[in-house]
Amino acid sequence: DIQMTQSPSTLSASVGDRVTISCRASQSLSGGLAWYQQKPGKAPKLLIYKASSLESGVPSRFSGSGSGTEFTLTISSLQPDDFATYYCQQYNSYSRTFGQGTKVEIK
Amino acid sequence: QVQLQESGPRLVKTSETLSLTCTVSGGSISTYFWSWIRQPPGKGLEWIGYVYDTGRTSYSPSLKSRVTISVDTSKNQFSLNLSSVTAADTAVYYCARDLSGPFTGGFDFWGQGTPVTVSS
Repeated sequence: DIQMTQSPSTLSASVGDRVTISCRASQSLSGGLAWYQQKPGKAPKLLIYKASSLESGVPSRFSGSGSGTEFTLTISSLQPDDFATYYCQQYNSYSRTFGQGTKVEIK
Repeated sequence: QVQLQESGPRLVKTSETLSLTCTVSGGSISTYFWSWIRQPPGKGLEWIGYVYDTGRTSYSPSLKSRVTISVDTSKNQFSLNLSSVTAADTAVYYCARDLSGPFTGGFDFWGQGTPVTVSS
């Protein structure tokens, strides 16, 4: 079973800041990696798939990178609407696993 | 635009079976994977399992012994059964379209989520 570990668990930042969230897999991913944004009381929203492909309609300030076991989500200039919780998720032919989440708070 | 809607009891008694259905509209259920995901209060997301339109399934190892997911292509629906529930199964349950594959990936369309409470 593949485990996903995100860091940090909580991040305090200001509007305009560059924000980076890390995600580490317990083994090299043979499938892919996705990133989601979730706001309170709402379903998650897909931001990135295949580690670095931007989902249609998602602002270009969001980007993903990485391969193997190390992945990163970057927000180039944090906007007020970006304060939320972010999750990474691995997928392969037989399983999916989420990271524990990173909450981005207002500093 | 694909839309998903969960339905089912919001209160389930301890040791009984939790049953939910997800109805897909605005698109066909065929040729896609469909997943169930849950989120306990104040906690993170947990994948439960998926079903393909052929009926092929895969489940989370931690829930495998209690989970059954099935699909009814004639009704454009898929369903979740979780047996022998306890308070630890109290969560918001989401259904989602699962694009996991070599050229795509992730859950792109989600239901709004339905809260389920397990209590004696």
